[in-house]
Amino acid sequence: NAGVTQTPKFQVLKTGQSMTLQCAQDMNHNSMYWYRQDPGMGLRLIYYSASEGTTDKGEVPNGYNVSRLNKREFSLRLESAAPSQTSVYFCASLQGIGPPGSGANVLTFGAGSRLTVL
Amino acid sequence: DQQVKQNSPSLSVQEGRISILNCDYTNSMFDYFLWYKKYPAEGPTFLISISSIKDKNEDGRFTVFLNKSAKHLSLHIVPSQPGDSAVYFCAAPYSNSGYALNFGKGTSLLVTP
Repeated sequence: NAGVTQTPKFQVLKTGQSMTLQCAQDMNHNSMYWYRQDPGMGLRLIYYSASEGTTDKGEVPNGYNVSRLNKREFSLRLESAAPSQTSVYFCASLQGIGPPGSGANVLTFGAGSRLTVL
Repeated sequence: DQQVKQNSPSLSVQEGRISILNCDYTNSMFDYFLWYKKYPAEGPTFLISISSIKDKNEDGRFTVFLNKSAKHLSLHIVPSQPGDSAVYFCAAPYSNSGYALNFGKGTSLLVTP
């Protein structure tokens, strides 16, 4: 049982290049999320998908697009990368049933994708 | 404006002693609070949660205390072990965001032998 898998783990881009971060979960979770983590800033929500077929903006969506390809996969795209998008990106998923922190409602994270934009 | 605040970026504690990590929040509508733990080069993992209708929740060496009047919660680790060295994030669910979590900036805990 792999949980949440993110690819690639590392990527270096030049300013203006585009790329897509891939995320897949095998837990049959309904909801999926993209966060970024920057030093001293904690984890900030970029986009989320509460269920298959829906996507919504989070706290810091500018410069990103997402696609919920199916129930398993949720990708994050940078159309024109900027140095300010240098960060560690985390994908997460959640069943969405029961109180937060209960067995079926624990946000499960991938190992992260470290992106550097030069 | 950050609704979940962790004002101590780092904490150092000796092995065997108590670690106390603090978190403040501004939104009185939060109904759950969670703590996540993160090791380097790994994703955060869920540690413990507390409902806003409780003032304490305990799980082994980890206890979370909630003081609603002060809008403050704390995570106690007793006894602290070197393997507890990690970054700890306090979090609460965003409203109307599909159960997404609003995280604090984190506190880096170092437990020394």
